[in-house]
Amino acid sequence: GQQLNQSPQSMFIQEGEDVSMNCTSSSIFNTWLWYKQDPGEGPVLLIALYKAGELTSNGRLTAQFGITRKDSFLNISASIPSDVGIYFCAGQSSGGSNYKLTFGKGTLLTVNP
Amino acid sequence: SQTIHQWPATLVQPVGSPLSLECTVEGTSNPNLYWYRQAAGRGLQLLFYSVGIGQISSEVPQNLSASRPQDRQFILSSKKLLLSDSGFYLCAWSIRNREHYGYTFGSGTRLTVV
Repeated sequence: GQQLNQSPQSMFIQEGEDVSMNCTSSSIFNTWLWYKQDPGEGPVLLIALYKAGELTSNGRLTAQFGITRKDSFLNISASIPSDVGIYFCAGQSSGGSNYKLTFGKGTLLTVNP
Repeated sequence: SQTIHQWPATLVQPVGSPLSLECTVEGTSNPNLYWYRQAAGRGLQLLFYSVGIGQISSEVPQNLSASRPQDRQFILSSKKLLLSDSGFYLCAWSIRNREHYGYTFGSGTRLTVV
């Protein structure tokens, strides 16, 4: 089946630093999604990307849909303590009626104040 | 607007006891529904998904089962819990036949089997 390689697995940074994480796949996706999971909560959608090459921002977050449709990255600028959590990438293929998501294994982000 | 409810938030159950976790969605019809498990705060493992009432697909054979008795209700069950069933269980829904919308997750149930 489809698999996503998400890296890094974890990051320990100082408040104010920028963060970058990425996902790669051997398969093509039509949609890339980035989720954040706060401790003890369900993941929440941060950014959705719909077209190859698309660059989208949401506040301090910026994500890009790779031109090959097989990768995506997420950048967080000027990190703050509330950025702590697990970040998941997810790819979505078309076809059929299910539109199942394939998730990466997550990047655990720790921000030291 | 659409909302997803999941309960209970936490549960401590003895080994060998039954389990029933419930998830309901409001504000939409004919959703796709999903059950995920997350161990040790990391990856999301898809357990079951459903595209309609009574239609359940299992991704991983295990000690759990799922049912969808109503359009917007999804239930995760076990007849006899194992220690390895401990984890964080997440329900999610998506719009059927609509690309680009992703999943919306519930707030999760923390299950500890003792």
